[in-house]
Amino acid sequence: EDQVTQSPEALRLQEGESSSLNCSYTVSGLRGLFWYRQDPGKGPEFLFTLYSAGEEKEKERLKATLTKKESFLHITAPKPEDSATYLCAVQTSNAGNNRKLIWGLGTSLAVNP
Amino acid sequence: GAGVSQSPSNKVTEKGKDVELRCDPISGHTALYWYRQSLGQGLEFLIYFQGNSAPDKSGLPSDRFSAERTGGSVSTLTIQRTQQEDSAVYLCASSPTTVGTEQYFGPGTRLTVT
Repeated sequence: EDQVTQSPEALRLQEGESSSLNCSYTVSGLRGLFWYRQDPGKGPEFLFTLYSAGEEKEKERLKATLTKKESFLHITAPKPEDSATYLCAVQTSNAGNNRKLIWGLGTSLAVNP
Repeated sequence: GAGVSQSPSNKVTEKGKDVELRCDPISGHTALYWYRQSLGQGLEFLIYFQGNSAPDKSGLPSDRFSAERTGGSVSTLTIQRTQQEDSAVYLCASSPTTVGTEQYFGPGTRLTVT
């Protein structure tokens, strides 16, 4: 069964304390892996798409990486405004009309000033 | 450009009433998705549209739920005879295609069934 697991469930950091969030996946074939940020009371905001192992993408203090089994979202010198829930989702390359994403439950990140 | 919009932003309804939730996707996006998110839970897929057709309705929880999309644009999610367990945030997303492209989300409609 296709599955996406995110860890840790919650993470509390001090401002400037770098860390990584993990998204591990077991799917029959990967078409794309997506990272989103969700603030309370809002819809998820798209961050990155990764398509193949070895690929990396960066945006400000965030860098996403991908292997054949997992993806990491590295947060360098985080600020309080980086506090949010970070969601990972996978689209598989299964045949048929199934185009839906498989979502992890997210990591709730809190960055203290 | 304009993002995905949803209306209403909040809806309080009595158990047993019908509700309609609306989604306006980003112009030109052919794919449209509906999700449900309960407090502390992950995103639950409901249905997606490619143009006006819905190839995958597998996530609709019961036959009280239905959705349509007209003109390849606006979509409406209808919940008939609402139950308290229907209370959640309903999110809509659109994407340029259904394959390998990111989805852009609206702000959601918070539905409360009393």
